[in-house]
Amino acid sequence: TQLLEQSPQFLSIQEGENLTVYCNSSSVFSSLQWYRQEPGEGPVLLVTVVTGGEVKKLKRLTFQFGDARKDSSLHITAAQPGDTGLYLCAGDDAGGTSYGKLTFGQGTILTVHP
Amino acid sequence: SQTIHQWPATLVQPVGSPLSLECTVEGTSNPNLYWYRQAAGRGLQLLFYSVGIGQISSEVPQNLSASRPQDRQFILSSKKLLLSDSGFYLCAWSVRGFVYTFGSGTRLTVV
Repeated sequence: TQLLEQSPQFLSIQEGENLTVYCNSSSVFSSLQWYRQEPGEGPVLLVTVVTGGEVKKLKRLTFQFGDARKDSSLHITAAQPGDTGLYLCAGDDAGGTSYGKLTFGQGTILTVHP
Repeated sequence: SQTIHQWPATLVQPVGSPLSLECTVEGTSNPNLYWYRQAAGRGLQLLFYSVGIGQISSEVPQNLSASRPQDRQFILSSKKLLLSDSGFYLCAWSVRGFVYTFGSGTRLTVV
């Protein structure tokens, strides 16, 4: 069974601060995805990383996939209150199938105070 | 464009009653379909996935079942709900397991 350990579980910061969320596993994933979820809504995909060592930037968000494809990080620069939400990492099984079964981390609840 | 519809948004059901949650996808053919359950503010747990009509795989033993009567329709059911079935249920689809889109979810409360 593949597991993803996501940390921290809770993050409360002031507007303008930087933060990093980590996602770690002992298993290899064929790809890793990051989602943001608002209360009462489904998760919305932010990015998918597929290549070991890959770095993707989405405005103030920077996503990195570890060289061994076992871990990933999400870094937010100059956080804003609109960044508040639940952030989830999810790994796609590396079994070489197209089933797309995702293993999710426990999530990070981010609160950015004005 | 591809869209996913999930209903109802909220549901309150008594213990022992049946359940039927429906999910439909538009704008794509032969998608992979999934049912996930989410505890409050936490990660998602995969319950069922389907790679084609009538093909259902269960990930965890439970009081629930799933069916796929049409290519773009996925149904989550139970004959008799338990208190432990309460949660936030999410339907999702993907094409070849890569691009992933979630529905808006159903909040189920079993009383």
